[in-house]
Amino acid sequence: EADIYQTPRYLVIGTGKKITLECSQTMGHDKMYWYQQDPGMELHLIHYSYGVNSTEKGDLSSESTVSRIRTEHFPLTLESARPSHTSQYLCASSESPGGAQHFGDGTRLSIL
Amino acid sequence: GESVGLHLPTLSVQEGDNSIINCAYSNSASDYFIWYKQESGKGPQFIIDIRSNMDKRQGQRVTVLLNKTVKHLSLQIAATQPGDSAVYFCAENKAGRRALTFGSGTRLQVQP
Repeated sequence: EADIYQTPRYLVIGTGKKITLECSQTMGHDKMYWYQQDPGMELHLIHYSYGVNSTEKGDLSSESTVSRIRTEHFPLTLESARPSHTSQYLCASSESPGGAQHFGDGTRLSIL
Repeated sequence: GESVGLHLPTLSVQEGDNSIINCAYSNSASDYFIWYKQESGKGPQFIIDIRSNMDKRQGQRVTVLLNKTVKHLSLQIAATQPGDSAVYFCAENKAGRRALTFGSGTRLQVQP
């Protein structure tokens, strides 16, 4: 059923490593988003993209970066992971900027 | 059972009862609202939406009510089932805003 895919689902890695979280969607949506969510807590927007080569920071400051070279692909990168980056990262896409978003199942990231 | 959302993060109901999950929103200019369901280990799933020109919208076993006067949104689930156990988020959008704004969520626990 899912048209938006995130890999890996779980990642446990040491401090200082470079990490890329992958997100792909097959719906042809221009708008894509990254959220950070601690377990059971609200979603915080950290990045969004209106289309290819268009990315902006979200409401919550994040040390991660994103790129949008292809419509279907919106990876998130942490250059040097720290324990404070431990969280769940959710990717979403939508047809319109404020419209209903379709979510992936997330990457649960744990930095030791 | 009934919750006040932000002030009572967990709602426990008996199987077969009706559930009411509440959400207060802050932006009087918001014109589109969505309820999402998030099961453990998954991303949020769209349940039902409503635009500000409506007061009520019904889906299969779910009803969303919008009271713009007091900026209040509720989700009613009829004949609650164990499969309804999840965290429920409301989200709002003002026309032209870049992304949805999510509430803090209510956990629904269905007792057999």
